[in-house]
Amino acid sequence: QKEVEQNSGPLSVPEGAIASLNCTYSDRGSQSFFWYRQYSGKSPELIMSIYSNGDKEDGRFTAQLNKASQYVSLLIRDSQPSDSATYLCAVNTSGGSYIPTFGRGTSLIVHP
Amino acid sequence: DAGVIQSPRHEVTEMGQEVTLRCKPISGHDYLFWYRQTMMRGLELLIYFNNNVPIDDSGMPEDRFSAKMPNASFSTLKIQPSEPRDSAVYFCASSFGSSYGYTFGSGTRLTVV
Repeated sequence: QKEVEQNSGPLSVPEGAIASLNCTYSDRGSQSFFWYRQYSGKSPELIMSIYSNGDKEDGRFTAQLNKASQYVSLLIRDSQPSDSATYLCAVNTSGGSYIPTFGRGTSLIVHP
Repeated sequence: DAGVIQSPRHEVTEMGQEVTLRCKPISGHDYLFWYRQTMMRGLELLIYFNNNVPIDDSGMPEDRFSAKMPNASFSTLKIQPSEPRDSAVYFCASSFGSSYGYTFGSGTRLTVV
């Protein structure tokens, strides 16, 4: 069973702080990694993808990938109340289909 | 592009009735996915299609569920007969290639009473 694990939270951070969301995966052959944001009552929205080790920055978001340790992180700098949402990690499994497995998500609350 | 379009947005039905959920993927996308989301189980993949052909339906919970994709611009997920435990939000998503991120539709919130 190929698994993607996230702490369900909630993770509570003050406005302006850095929020750090973590995700571990079991399939060592995974090659594609995604972060989705899901507001309450809405559908998941792709915000970041990363395919190689290291950091990838997009505005206030930074995705970090460490394949040796099998984890991927999402950092949100200068957190805003509008960032309050559930963040889903998705990891493409190896073995032919490359269909992502989703984690259960981490709830983030940014308080003013 | 209008994105992935799902209908209806909400569906309330009585146990035993047939339910049909509809999805129009983004034009040009060759993969279509049906997911179910509940608090208990999170986001579960039910079935996915590549170029209108069902590839993996191992996530379909039982024979009461069926899905079709008669052409590149339309797919349905049918539940017959429906049961209260089918109550969930059902999402359709599409992508160009399987190794890239998905675009999700707005979802259908199904309540079976």
